[in-house]
Amino acid sequence: KQEVTQIPAALSVPEGENLVLNCSFTDSAIYNLQWFRQDPGKGLTSLLLIQSSQREQTSGRLNASLDKSSGRSTLYIAASQPGDSATYLCAAVNQAGTALIFGKGTTLSVSS
Amino acid sequence: SQTIHQWPATLVQPVGSPLSLECTVEGTSNPNLYWYRQAAGRGLQLLFYSVGIGQISSEVPQNLSASRPQDRQFILSSKKLLLSDSGFYLCAWSGQGPNNSPLHFGNGTRLTVT
Repeated sequence: KQEVTQIPAALSVPEGENLVLNCSFTDSAIYNLQWFRQDPGKGLTSLLLIQSSQREQTSGRLNASLDKSSGRSTLYIAASQPGDSATYLCAAVNQAGTALIFGKGTTLSVSS
Repeated sequence: SQTIHQWPATLVQPVGSPLSLECTVEGTSNPNLYWYRQAAGRGLQLLFYSVGIGQISSEVPQNLSASRPQDRQFILSSKKLLLSDSGFYLCAWSGQGPNNSPLHFGNGTRLTVT
């Protein structure tokens, strides 16, 4: 059974810092891995999707990497801003290819 | 463009009462549809997913049920709510073949069972 873990659970940084969020998964036979952002009381917004054959994806200040063999993915945020404050979740598509299994998220707070 | 609608936004229901949450998707056809629950301090838990009309798969045993009466309509129901059913319920869709299709979420329904 796929399990997804995110470390750290919470992170506080000053504005301008570069930071890395970590995601690990137990079953390397994933179809893709996705990163989401969730603002308090809101739904999730898709940030990046890394296909199983890819090593990384970039969107603006965000860069996500994938290492299937070690069961790890990282989300790199460059030059963090207060508007980046949110909970970031990673999710791995299950073996059946029909649903995503989520980690519990990392809550990021960027102070100005 | 595709949009997903979920309602109501908030709901307070007494224990033992029925539940019906509705989700509709516009701008796409034959989507995969999902119901997730997010309880306080816990991660997102997949409840149900559907790859087509009338096709429902349940990930966890519970007193909830789901139905897909139309291609772009997904309904979450319960005959009798429990206190433990409280949580944030999220509907989501993806294109067929999730290998290349990200998951798109609705804004969620905050359910409080009293």
